[in-house]
Amino acid sequence: GDSVTQMEGPVTLSEEAFLTINCTYTATGYPSLFWYVQYPGEGLQLLLKATKADDKGSNKGFEATYRKETTSFHLEKGSVQVSDSAVYFCALSHSFQKLVFGTGTRLLVSP
Amino acid sequence: SQTIHQWPATLVQPVGSPLSLECTVEGTSNPNLYWYRQAAGRGLQLLFYSVGIGQISSEVPQNLSASRPQDRQFILSSKKLLLSDSGFYLCAWSPRDNSGNTIYFGEGSWLTVV
Repeated sequence: GDSVTQMEGPVTLSEEAFLTINCTYTATGYPSLFWYVQYPGEGLQLLLKATKADDKGSNKGFEATYRKETTSFHLEKGSVQVSDSAVYFCALSHSFQKLVFGTGTRLLVSP
Repeated sequence: SQTIHQWPATLVQPVGSPLSLECTVEGTSNPNLYWYRQAAGRGLQLLFYSVGIGQISSEVPQNLSASRPQDRQFILSSKKLLLSDSGFYLCAWSPRDNSGNTIYFGEGSWLTVV
């Protein structure tokens, strides 16, 4: 079945550092890919998405590119802030809209 | 605009007691509805989804059940809670056609079974 693999955390960075959170997937066909973010004490929010190969999703300074050849959707940000501290989930879905999530990666950003 | 409400936000229940978590969606019709669970140290797992009133599909065998008595209402229940039912429960919805292939989540309910 479909699956999503994320790098284990926590990822600890200083403010203004470059961020990469790796995500790879296994799926049949051409799923849509997502990054969701969960801030402390809150539910999940959609951060960005890409629906086809080579698409780049972007939001709030975060970017991820749908790489079909490497089955990857790595999340990047050029300069993280303390307010970016959260848990980040990579996910995929096919046309029936059921999301398959990775286990999440906790990001801790210190001043 | 569409909104999703989920309650209660926090719940502490003894083993063997019943459970009822409620979720409602506003501002849309005929949504697809979902219940997810995030157990401690684990990722999100889809528990149930529904494409219409009275139509429930279960993704994993478990101690929980779901019901959809109205178009925009989704309820997660248990007759007797287990310790392993503890976790963070998220209700979600997506548009029926969902051409954007996006699911929107509620704020979640923290359940602790003691």
